[in-house]
Amino acid sequence: QVQLQQWGAGLLKPSETLSLTCVVRGGSVSGYYWSWIRQPPGKGLEWIGEIKHSGSTNYNPSLKSRVTILLDTSKNQFSLKLNSVSAADTAVYYCAREDGNSGGAFDIWGQGTMVTVSS
Amino acid sequence: EIELTQSPATLSLSPGERATLSCRASQSVGNYLAWYQQKPGQSPRLLIHDASNRATGVPARFSGSGSETDFTLTISSLDPEDFAVYFCQQRINWPITFGQGTRLEIK
Repeated sequence: QVQLQQWGAGLLKPSETLSLTCVVRGGSVSGYYWSWIRQPPGKGLEWIGEIKHSGSTNYNPSLKSRVTILLDTSKNQFSLKLNSVSAADTAVYYCAREDGNSGGAFDIWGQGTMVTVSS
Repeated sequence: EIELTQSPATLSLSPGERATLSCRASQSVGNYLAWYQQKPGQSPRLLIHDASNRATGVPARFSGSGSETDFTLTISSLDPEDFAVYFCQQRINWPITFGQGTRLEIK
């Protein structure tokens, strides 16, 4: 059974860099797209970006200038970096797998990481 | 960017009743529409993909329908565990977008 386990710093100061990692357990990163999605407290879901097993990426234009998603196939994991954070970036961040056999729906999710940006 | 508008924002029903949730897209998404359930403190759970296909392990009381711009998630007979927030999502175009959610609450 494939599971995603994520981790990273939960408290940042404005202008710092958010850094999260998600490891794929019980499966391989090959053959799928892998996404990061966030959810501000009490609000809806916002897609941040995705990386394909080949390493190609797509980002949400609203965050593109500050986001980098990387894939490490040797460690079966992928990561998110978001530069110059502000209070508006406070959210629960999720990693998720897109299943091409399900129209690209997110069939597996990480447990979520609450990231708070505060001075 | 494709906008997804969900209605109603909140739906108050009793266990055993039928729930009908709507998701409308600002332009056609074909059948690339998914539905998710989210309970407090939990990650979203995939219910429906490709507009009408139940994900593995999802009870048969959940069904999805629609195409192009108008989609519906139906729960035929509400179980107490079904009271949660439901989101729709499209991925025919980048960026991938989600609806704002429908909160299904116990009446």
